[in-house]
Amino acid sequence: EADIYQTPRYLVIGTGKKITLECSQTMGHDKMYWYQQDPGMELHLIHYSYGVNSTEKGDLSSESTVSRIRTEHFPLTLESARPSHTSQYLCASSGGGKAFFGQGTRLTVV
Amino acid sequence: AQSVTQPDIHITVSEGASLELRCNYSYGATPYLFWYVQSPGQGLQLLLKYFSGDTLVQGIKGFEAEFKRSQSSFNLRKPSVHWSDAAEYFCAVGARGNTPLVFGKGTRLSVIA
Repeated sequence: EADIYQTPRYLVIGTGKKITLECSQTMGHDKMYWYQQDPGMELHLIHYSYGVNSTEKGDLSSESTVSRIRTEHFPLTLESARPSHTSQYLCASSGGGKAFFGQGTRLTVV
Repeated sequence: AQSVTQPDIHITVSEGASLELRCNYSYGATPYLFWYVQSPGQGLQLLLKYFSGDTLVQGIKGFEAEFKRSQSSFNLRKPSVHWSDAAEYFCAVGARGNTPLVFGKGTRLSVIA
């Protein structure tokens, strides 16, 4: 089993609220990723990090931001949530040639 | 730029029948190839991967995949499908070093009795 955790699993929040999606891994991986996935659709990379204090934007433009202050922690923040942010957000880390995924956070903005 | 194509959006098979999910990739260098499975409401679980060597790779849950460089394909197979195999399957391509995985759009597998 992979040791990567995302909280919350489900979140319903009002427009304009600030939210932070948490992602933690206990495998000591330097590389971590955030993907956005709409129902039945492909995964789009929105952010990634190759280590502490390293963050990069992915292929899909996103209004979210990330930080990497500690190796094990890679939170994603939306300063002002909008209905267009409604989606599933998957966090992953990789090491030894394998990527491990968290169970995802399903976000609904009303 | 690398890309992954999964031509079949949705496949339905009978329990006990064989399965093949198609994956084609476009990549400039020697690719690392992966198949992931996602059950409803869950994250992705790695089924198998190909880095080099034997082009037929075995994975978990009785799945296997064959890398065919000439066809730029990495199709996933299972000889006998179980109802619990119903899920979304994603093919992905990556490379050694600091390159995030690129995923296909996924193929949804339904299993009927």
